[in-house]
Amino acid sequence: DGGITQSPKYLFRKEGQNVTLSCEQNLNHDAMYWYRQDPGQGLRLIYYSQIVNDFQKGDIAEGYSVSREKKESFPLTVTSAQKNPTAFYLCASGGQGSYEQYFGPGTRLTVT
Amino acid sequence: AQKITQTQPGMFVQEKEAVTLDCTYDTSDQSYGLFWYKQPSSGEMIFLIYQGSYDEQNATEGRYSLNFQKARKSANLVISASQLGDSAMYFCAMREASGTYKYIFGTGTRLKVLA
Repeated sequence: DGGITQSPKYLFRKEGQNVTLSCEQNLNHDAMYWYRQDPGQGLRLIYYSQIVNDFQKGDIAEGYSVSREKKESFPLTVTSAQKNPTAFYLCASGGQGSYEQYFGPGTRLTVT
Repeated sequence: AQKITQTQPGMFVQEKEAVTLDCTYDTSDQSYGLFWYKQPSSGEMIFLIYQGSYDEQNATEGRYSLNFQKARKSANLVISASQLGDSAMYFCAMREASGTYKYIFGTGTRLKVLA
């Protein structure tokens, strides 16, 4: 089945640790995205990538890093520099010829 | 700058009634796309409907229709014959056709369908 996978669904970390969230897609999409969602809020763009080995900062990139070494994969690292990392993180992908974004199931990160 | 505004933080509707969720947008581009997504309590984002800026007819998908008024820059979602399963957060989003693949989302409207 084609789609986007994010793992794990729930993630717990201690403050001061870096943590990497996985996002994989087999839809052959060029573009991939990371969003952050806080309770009762909308989606805010962290990073996006239009092509392999290239990515751009979104609206809230501080404290996060990404890589795009393969078309299928766009991992997000939440660094210790991120002040309030506890949130719901959504990964998405989109094809050049299609406007629609396809979302993964999300990862709920809790940092204590 | 691009912007999506959803002014209704929460809405109630009686089961089997129709409901309209408001969305206004701001862009200087002539070519763009408008979307609505549903987010149930599980957190997944479900694509509902798409409207292109050059589409002359309003988009429809089953019980969902998009009331597109280009001059007023509004793209309201109409849900007909509401069902209990429609209770969720609804997000309006926009993507400009030129340049980046970047999407902008509104803050969402929480819809509660009453039995």
